[in-house]
Amino acid sequence: KAGVTQTPRYLIKTRGQQVTLSCSPISGHRSVSWYQQTPGQGLQFLFEYFSETQRNKGNFPGRFSGRQFSNSRSEMNVSTLELGDSALYLCASSLGHHGNQPQHFGDGTRLSIL
Amino acid sequence: QQQVKQSPQSLIVQKGGISIINCAYENTAFDYFPWYQQFPGKGPALLIAIRPDVSEKKEGRFTISFNKSAKQFSLHIMDSQPGDSATYFCAALSGNTPLVFGKGTRLSVIA
Repeated sequence: KAGVTQTPRYLIKTRGQQVTLSCSPISGHRSVSWYQQTPGQGLQFLFEYFSETQRNKGNFPGRFSGRQFSNSRSEMNVSTLELGDSALYLCASSLGHHGNQPQHFGDGTRLSIL
Repeated sequence: QQQVKQSPQSLIVQKGGISIINCAYENTAFDYFPWYQQFPGKGPALLIAIRPDVSEKKEGRFTISFNKSAKQFSLHIMDSQPGDSATYFCAALSGNTPLVFGKGTRLSVIA
C-alpha cells in the first residue's frame, strides 16, 4: 500500500510569491492534516480536512489556506510568502476525522524563502 | 502555551543501553498518546501509541509507560542500537482536537 505522497519535495521561492503544495493520502484515508515543522517551533498544526470540509484550524494567519478534493487529495496554499515561512510542511492522513486514529505522515515539502 | 513538554532535548546512549524519553501533559482530556520517530529527510513515522486505560504498552524493544495521575508518559528503548538514532516526538490528542507535539528529543546511539 503506497504511503502519503507529497509534492514537490523541495521548493525555493522569494518573498511575496505564493506557493501550492500537494498531498495524496493513503488509499482509503479520508482525513488529511497539515503541519509546519521548524527547528524553533517544532511541529505545529495548520489545518485538517475531512470529506472536503475544513474541520480544524491551527493558529496561523489567513495567508495559509487549504482544500481537499473529492478523491481526498489535498492542497495547501501560502500567499505573500515571508522569510519566516521557510519550513518543512508535512501532510498526514488518517482513516477518519481525528479521534484516536493513527496519523501517517508523508516526507514533506521543504520550502525555502529567499 | 506548550501543552506537551518533552525532555531531554538530546540524549546520547551507548549501544545496548536503555534510552528513556519523558513527556508531561496538561490537558486531562487527552486520550491518545502516540510516539513518532523521525529520520533526517523523512516525515515522522508512528512508532507506538497508548491510551490512558493502560499503564504500559510494549512492542518489541519499545515500551510506553503511562502515569495518568502524574500526567506523564515515557518511551523506553531497550537494547538501543545505532539504527535507533533519530529524533523522537511524543504527542497527544483528544476527541476532535488535532495532535499536539512535544519539541522532540534527538537520540544518538554510539557504539
